[in-house]
Amino acid sequence: AQSVTQPDIHITVSEGASLELRCNYSYGATPYLFWYVQSPGQGLQLLLKYFSGDTLVQGIKGFEAEFKRSQSSFNLRKPSVHWSDAAEYFCAVGYTGGGNKLTFGTGTQLKVEL
Amino acid sequence: EAGVAQSPRYKIIEKRQSVAFWCNPISGHATLYWYQQILGQGPKLLIQFQNNGVVDDSQLPKDRFSAERLKGVDSTLKIQPAKLEDSAVYLCASSLAVQGTYEQYFGPGTRLTVT
Repeated sequence: AQSVTQPDIHITVSEGASLELRCNYSYGATPYLFWYVQSPGQGLQLLLKYFSGDTLVQGIKGFEAEFKRSQSSFNLRKPSVHWSDAAEYFCAVGYTGGGNKLTFGTGTQLKVEL
Repeated sequence: EAGVAQSPRYKIIEKRQSVAFWCNPISGHATLYWYQQILGQGPKLLIQFQNNGVVDDSQLPKDRFSAERLKGVDSTLKIQPAKLEDSAVYLCASSLAVQGTYEQYFGPGTRLTVT
């Protein structure tokens, strides 16, 4: 069965600093990979997704992520964090033939210091 | 385009009581999902519908949870009787179809507290 690991439970960065959130997955075949963001009291919003092709994907709100097959990773990055980026971030994985089912990581809570 | 709608947004009940949650997916989305998100964890899929049929309910605690999507549009998730460990946010999501790489769109969730 596939699994997703987000090793950082909490991350604090200063506004304007760069950000990298880690995500590692475990699955034999090529996965489909997603990053979602959840603000307090809100549902999950899709930031970006990787299905195939270019391993560097661009998303909304200035986020990007890079798929590295050799490291089984899909880390999320942003060059300059804004205070409004404070939220919880979830990495998720699906796979071909999986019926569109997603397995989520446990999330990383991002705090932004002004 | 209207998003996924859920109600109620919050619910507090005592253990052994019953509760129901409602979800209306995005128009035209054939697939509907119910997730349970316990505090500090990622969402866990409970049940997946394709139109009005169940695709996967392997993680649904069937002794107390039930769900239906009778007309292939909106859906109801019920818990009867509730336990303390059912306290969680229940998220509904929808996507265009089952097969393929269709992204899922999430509603705001229903926060359930069982006392």
